[in-house]
Amino acid sequence: DAGVTQSPTHLIKTRGQQVTLRCSPISGHKSVSWYQQVLGQGPQFIFQYYEKEERGRGNFPDRFSARQFPNYSSELNVNALLLGDSALYLCASSFTRDPKPPLHFGNGTRLTVT
Amino acid sequence: GIQVEQSPPDLILQEGANSTLRCNFSDSVNNLQWFHQNPWGQLINLFYIPSGTKQNGRLSATTVATERYSLLYISSSQTTDSGVYFCAVVSGGATNKLIFGTGTLLAVQP
Repeated sequence: DAGVTQSPTHLIKTRGQQVTLRCSPISGHKSVSWYQQVLGQGPQFIFQYYEKEERGRGNFPDRFSARQFPNYSSELNVNALLLGDSALYLCASSFTRDPKPPLHFGNGTRLTVT
Repeated sequence: GIQVEQSPPDLILQEGANSTLRCNFSDSVNNLQWFHQNPWGQLINLFYIPSGTKQNGRLSATTVATERYSLLYISSSQTTDSGVYFCAVVSGGATNKLIFGTGTLLAVQP
């Protein structure tokens, strides 16, 4: 079975641009969560979507938005990119709304903003 | 909000050595997990351990919820154990988000 897949793996953008990151959860998983990991720090929660509805939002500005599609895949959008948005963006999927095992993370998208 | 601190921040071991990583948290938790992040960035769940003790091969973990700490033991370390170890907790009403600790960077030398 395929794990959590994220695309693209790497991305370079310029300040002010917009970016869309994609995540496909493990088959049967209905919850997708997004985390931002800045170099040298632990991941920070951005959003959770469960059954296609937003169920939680972390302390991030409105420039960050997300959605979940009927097939449970998800997109994370970031507008008006800042240098500080440079990070590894991780997607996690699970069966339930609570982040309990089996909880699987993708390999991430490494975003560089110049 | 809850604070999650890990120690030591960095650790260098020779292959075959044992180590103990610590996670302290500032409030009660209803979910605690240990993760290993490999050099390529992938996070792998090691243990779900809100309380008690579990073992999986050379790894074991203990959480003492009443004293607000958890320990991860690595025995007979191997070079493939290198990477960053995170503990992550769920606390309070925000039951759907993991709060990650500061991490321990482990380097196992041959």
